[in-house]
Amino acid sequence: EDKVVQSPLSLVVHEGDTVTLNCSYEVTNFRSLLWYKQEKKAPTFLFMLTSSGIEKKSGRLSSILDKKELFSILNITATQTGDSAIYLCAVAYNNNDMRFGAGTRLTVKP
Amino acid sequence: NAGVTQTPKFQVLKTGQSMTLQCAQDMNHEYMSWYRQDPGMGLRLIHYSVGAGITDQGEVPNGYNVSRSTTEDFPLRLLSAAPSQTSVYFCASRRGGQETQYFGPGTRLLVL
Repeated sequence: EDKVVQSPLSLVVHEGDTVTLNCSYEVTNFRSLLWYKQEKKAPTFLFMLTSSGIEKKSGRLSSILDKKELFSILNITATQTGDSAIYLCAVAYNNNDMRFGAGTRLTVKP
Repeated sequence: NAGVTQTPKFQVLKTGQSMTLQCAQDMNHEYMSWYRQDPGMGLRLIHYSVGAGITDQGEVPNGYNVSRSTTEDFPLRLLSAAPSQTSVYFCASRRGGQETQYFGPGTRLLVL
């Protein structure tokens, strides 16, 4: 069965900490892996990864994909309270399928 | 550009009632999708469309119908609402050949 598993499901840190969020997957005909950030409403796009070992970076956020071991990590350095959100991992596979993980709820305390 | 819009924002239904959740996008995207989000379960794909006149089932299609008569609109119909359909519903669109989806603000549905 196709699945996407995120860990941890919940994480509480203090401002300035570095966090690593994990996403593993098992799907047929993998196309890409995407990370989204969801605050109060709609998810917003962070990164798309298609190739192993190539880091995507945007400010304090970075992500990398390992297609051999079937996982991705999202790193956030020097966390801020504005980073508090649910982080969603999604995998595109087959022709048009998309499967999301359950998400990691990150809380950053001042 | 308004992006992806959804109406209503919130709806309460009684068991057995029917309703239509509206979704529209003004980006001329070929692909449109409907997801439901439940606590602890992420987003699950209900139905999707790859273009006007073409729809297909996702992971959890039972109890829902869709149609795509125009590129812009992709309504989701609940035929006979059940409490298990209480959820937050998101519509999303993307351009053909691209994976990045743009999400609407969501519709919160409560079925009593």
